[in-house]
Amino acid sequence: KAGVTQTPRYLIKTRGQQVTLSCSPISGHRSVSWYQQTPGQGLQFLFEYFSETQRNKGNFPGRFSGRQFSNSRSEMNVSTLELGDSALYLCASSPRVAGAEEQFFGPGTRLTVL
Amino acid sequence: GENVEQHPSTLSVQEGDSAVIKCTYSDSASNYFPWYKQELGKGPQLIIDIRSNVGEKKDQRIAVTLNKTAKHFSLHITETQPEDSAVYFCAEYNDYKLSFGAGTTVTVRA
Repeated sequence: KAGVTQTPRYLIKTRGQQVTLSCSPISGHRSVSWYQQTPGQGLQFLFEYFSETQRNKGNFPGRFSGRQFSNSRSEMNVSTLELGDSALYLCASSPRVAGAEEQFFGPGTRLTVL
Repeated sequence: GENVEQHPSTLSVQEGDSAVIKCTYSDSASNYFPWYKQELGKGPQLIIDIRSNVGEKKDQRIAVTLNKTAKHFSLHITETQPEDSAVYFCAEYNDYKLSFGAGTTVTVRA
């Protein structure tokens, strides 16, 4: 089975711009979660989607949004980029059935905001 | 993660020795505790996990123990090898999200 794929792998943007990141989960997985990783704050939860529904959202401003499509693929969007948004954005997929909470991460998208 | 404390932050061991990383959590509703290994330039890789109804789980050279009463869990790596050098993260799962510890940088000296 192919793993979680994320595109693009690297992205450079300037302040004020917006960005869309994409994630394709492992085949058969219906849950997709997004995390932000920075040296200062570590790994922080952004949001989780299951069957196109957002079930939880982390403590991030409204500039961060996401969605999930009927094929389980997911996108996240960050509007009005700030320097502090520079981070590795990780997507994780999970079968999310009872007793299967395992989350498998993709390689991430490295976002640099100048 | 605000709910998970992880110690130590760095760990240097001689090849062949054991490594132990400890985590404590605060949310008694958490019922699933995974451990991840992250190598440079890669996403976190799930290496072992444990559920709240189990006290210990082993997979070859790695093992995890869980004490629900004390709210702490630990990762044990035996017979360490150079390829074990990486950053390790513990996490707790609750309310559809993982909360991570700050990470432990493990260096295995040859």
